[in-house]
Amino acid sequence: DAGVTQSPTHLIKTRGQHVTLRCSPISGHKSVSWYQQVLGQGPQFIFQYYEKEERGRGNFPDRFSARQFPNYSSELNVNALLLGDSALYLCASSLLGTSNQPQHFGDGTRLSIL
Amino acid sequence: AQTVTQSQPEMSVQEAETVTLSCTYDTSESNYYLFWYKQPPSRQMILVIRQEAYKQQNATENRFSVNFQKAAKSFSLKISDSQLGDTAMYFCAFMKLGFGNEKLTFGTGTRLTIIP
Repeated sequence: DAGVTQSPTHLIKTRGQHVTLRCSPISGHKSVSWYQQVLGQGPQFIFQYYEKEERGRGNFPDRFSARQFPNYSSELNVNALLLGDSALYLCASSLLGTSNQPQHFGDGTRLSIL
Repeated sequence: AQTVTQSQPEMSVQEAETVTLSCTYDTSESNYYLFWYKQPPSRQMILVIRQEAYKQQNATENRFSVNFQKAAKSFSLKISDSQLGDTAMYFCAFMKLGFGNEKLTFGTGTRLTIIP
């Protein structure tokens, strides 16, 4: 079975632009979480979605938004990009969105802001 | 809020030796999970081992084992018979127990290099 897939792999944008990152969870997984990993740091939680509803939100500005589709795939949107948004964005999926279910991570999208 | 601290930014060890990575955390929760994740240069975060806080027995997975000291809020990872493929960033992470909650709080990581 395919793992968590993220697209694109790498993206270059300029300040002020908008970006959409995509994530397809493992087949059958209903929960998707997004993390931002700045170079040299651990991942920071951005959002969790389960059955198309937001279940959790980290300490990120309103420029960050996300949604989950009926097929459980997800998009992360970032508006008005800043240099500080340069990071690896990781998506993770799990079966039921509960803490006793292991999360499976994708390879991430490397976003570079010029 | 929970915090996770990894005080060893980098470590290196000879192949086949044993290495221990340190992690401390702070929380007011009584029920939670602790994790060690491995992130090789390929970027994918891979679960190494998981510990439920309500279990006193330390978790083991083949060459990987943990020393969980709940009162001291310490959660170290021991890698035995280290292999070249163990070279990676290792992150300690915390998750509060509960339905609908999957937020992982990560430490800053330890870069481990296995020397041939």
